[in-house]
Formats: sequence, structure tokens, C-alpha cells
Amino acid sequence: DQQVKQNSPSLSVQEGRISILNCDYTNSMFDYFLWYKKYPAEGPTFLISISSIKDKNEDGRFTVFLNKSAKHLSLHIVPSQPGDSAVYFCAASAGVFNDMRFGAGTRLTVKP
Amino acid sequence: EAGVTQFPSHSVIEKGQTVTLRCDPISGHDNLYWYRRVMGKEIKFLLHFVKESKQDESGMPNNRFLAERTGGTYSTLKVQPAELEDSGVYFCASSRVAGGPSQETQYFGPGTRLLVL
Repeated sequence: DQQVKQNSPSLSVQEGRISILNCDYTNSMFDYFLWYKKYPAEGPTFLISISSIKDKNEDGRFTVFLNKSAKHLSLHIVPSQPGDSAVYFCAASAGVFNDMRFGAGTRLTVKP
Repeated sequence: EAGVTQFPSHSVIEKGQTVTLRCDPISGHDNLYWYRRVMGKEIKFLLHFVKESKQDESGMPNNRFLAERTGGTYSTLKVQPAELEDSGVYFCASSRVAGGPSQETQYFGPGTRLLVL
């Protein structure tokens, strides 16, 4: 039972344009959402997070939007850079124990 | 500050053998997590330690998997006997505190790539 879904396995954008990565979840108990970035042969690294009490969180070029009614969140990268090329994982957690559930990941390729 | 380390980085074993993976969390992090990613699929939660206690082991696939964290420092994950479907990348993560409205970020290790032949 996959509670966090990233339906696009890959995304390719041109340098300087916007990258939009999407994530859907099914568990209404999730109250904290995170995006992780993963380079080959490395572990995921934390990128940005959002609590369910907010609908937007911004950090530099990265913005995460949360639509609770649709159980959908998205990560916007503006402007996209070649160094952003990586696999991006969406993750969600519920309750106090911070046990995360991850999506399958979306491979982003930013072309120069 | 040293990050989360995992050993070995790669392991190739035959079906039926035993493998033990080790994770050293960031010093001072009470929370330690094990995850697994199988062939391009989602990263699946396996279990969560708070110090030496298992807080949540709901993700452990079966009793061939045994995780320990004696003394609340490093952790081991033993697979015995290994099966073909156990192949994947096993990640360990640690965090200082767990839960709450400003949940602590989990820091991941580089993973152990396990291949069962």
C-alpha cells in the first residue's frame, strides 16, 4: 500500500526554466511533508519541508506548495540549474514519531 | 561533524547466506531509522530506534530481518537467511529528536547496496 505517490518517474527541463515536481498522498493523518534530493551513490539529503498548518514554504529557489483538500503537494524550482539534476523524493509523516513514508522518486534532468 | 556512516557500501552474497549491515548515526542522535529501496521503487521504512529501544518496527518485512542497537549507539541490521527479493539499497538515517511541529530533519547515510544472487 503506497501512501505517497510520485506518478512522474522523470522530468526534463531547460536551464533557467521552472521545474515542478508533484506528489500525492492518501493518508489524511500525514501532517508533515518533506522533499529529499538524491545524487547517485549517495543517501537522500533534506531539501525543504512543510507542515500541514501551512500551504506554502519557500527557501531560495525552492518552494513547496501543499493542497490538503486534494492531498497534493508540489516542489517548484525556479530557476532550474544543471546542478539540480537528481532524483527527488517526496516524504510524509504522521504523528509524533517522525516515521516517514516516501514516494518512488522523480528523476529531474536540467539541460544546459 | 561526521555524518551518518554505513558499512559495507556494497555486499554481494548468495541466497541463504547471512549479511549484517552496520550504521553509525551522527553523535548525539537518539533516533535511528532503517529504510530500504528496492530497484527504483519507493524508499520503504523498516524500523525506528529511540536510543536502544525499538519505537516502531512495523516496516520489517519478516522475521529474517533482525535489527539491534545495543547501547544506543550504532545499529546493525542482519538478514538471515537472505533471499533474492532482499536485494536493494539499505539506508540508515538519524535525527536528534523526533516528532512535534518542527520535526527534526533526518540525516541519511550513503546506503549499503545489497545484491543477493
